[in-house]
Amino acid sequence: QKEVEQDPGPLSVPEGAIVSLNCTYSNSAFQYFMWYRQYSRKGPELLMYTYSSGNKEDGRFTAQVDKSSKYISLFIRDSQPSDSATYLCAMSAGTYKYIFGTGTRLKVLA
Amino acid sequence: ETGVTQSPTHLIKTRGQQVTLRCSSQSGHNTVSWYQQALGQGPQFIFQYYREEENGRGNFPPRFSGLQFPNYSSELNVNALELDDSALYLCASSLSSDYGYTFGSGTRLTVV
Repeated sequence: QKEVEQDPGPLSVPEGAIVSLNCTYSNSAFQYFMWYRQYSRKGPELLMYTYSSGNKEDGRFTAQVDKSSKYISLFIRDSQPSDSATYLCAMSAGTYKYIFGTGTRLKVLA
Repeated sequence: ETGVTQSPTHLIKTRGQQVTLRCSSQSGHNTVSWYQQALGQGPQFIFQYYREEENGRGNFPPRFSGLQFPNYSSELNVNALELDDSALYLCASSLSSDYGYTFGSGTRLTVV
């Protein structure tokens, strides 16, 4: 079993839809949770990072962490074609090493 | 703020050869990590350097080695290249006390 599981998609939604992206994990030591966006032929770009459980909002993006269920989510409101990318979740136990999911490919249709 | 820059952007090498990839960290960042991203996969941690010392390593063999310089730029060296080393190599920098790395655009290495 992988430490971090993420549905690879692809996920296609119409413009303006609410997008829900999810990851599950098995290591209860994880305390830091990140979401990165990666466009084709580019490096990952940090969108959100959260410590421990709870919600965090930044513009159209909301990150949720449920440590009791070992489940994290990223919600994108009013999705735009420019949001089309691969979304990677990443986690850390507070050390130097991030564990990434495989990424979910998202396509927002105009 | 200049971000993280990596060079070269693309590289083709022959199996058995050696390669050096370079990274300039974001200004003020003293921690650099290297990740390998195979096609369709998430990045895999190779190692991290803090103030010129390696302070963490993933499940990669010793033929993967690195350096961090006093100006916090960094190199990743890979000896005895294998076909499976073909991947996107990502450099990421951060302040030691911060979380959420800033990644470069990567070097696409193809081993033939």
